[in-house]
Amino acid sequence: GQNIDQPTEMTATEGAIVQINCTYQTSGFNGLFWYQQHAGEAPTFLSYNVLDGLEEKGRFSSFLSRSKGYSYLLLKELQMKDSASYLCAVETGRRALTFGSGTRLQVQP
Amino acid sequence: DTGVSQDPRHKITKRGQNVTFRCDPISEHNRLYWYRQTLGQGPEFLTYFQNEAQLEKSRLLSDRFSAERPKGSFSTLEIQRTEQGDSAMYLCASSRPGRNNYGYTFGSGTRLTVV
Repeated sequence: GQNIDQPTEMTATEGAIVQINCTYQTSGFNGLFWYQQHAGEAPTFLSYNVLDGLEEKGRFSSFLSRSKGYSYLLLKELQMKDSASYLCAVETGRRALTFGSGTRLQVQP
Repeated sequence: DTGVSQDPRHKITKRGQNVTFRCDPISEHNRLYWYRQTLGQGPEFLTYFQNEAQLEKSRLLSDRFSAERPKGSFSTLEIQRTEQGDSAMYLCASSRPGRNNYGYTFGSGTRLTVV
């Protein structure tokens, strides 16, 4: 079966750094994606990891360890507009995405 | 390129009625996916097409659900004899092989409310 776990909710302060963890156990692995989703809107692509290590893109970074089935999304210099749900998703052998339940991040002033 | 378009944005229907949603993918994307998302959950895979061929269907897709993608362009998702448990956001996404790892592009979804 497929199992992707991430925390349900997190709170952080504007200007701070927050790390959202994701662990996965899936049948097949072709890459791990992070998406941002504001309430009532479509998920939007943030990052993609297929090899172990850190991928950095502006204020957002994502890390992957395939041997541990673990990833994290790091958000720096938090802004109020970063309040959203963050979805961890694994592309499995069938070339479709399996999502975790999402982490709702609340950024406070 | 206007991204992935879904129509309608919102649909309210009475239990037992049939509904149909439409998705227009990005034109050069040959793969199209349908997902369902309920409040507080991540999207759940329903089905996907490569060109006009429906390659996989989730066990979530009961026999009341049918999806088509004639000519490998737009797709429709029909739900027959709707039930209150069908209330959800229905998301469409598209992608293409050899993509540059920018993943799947999602539409804004159709929010279905069954009353």
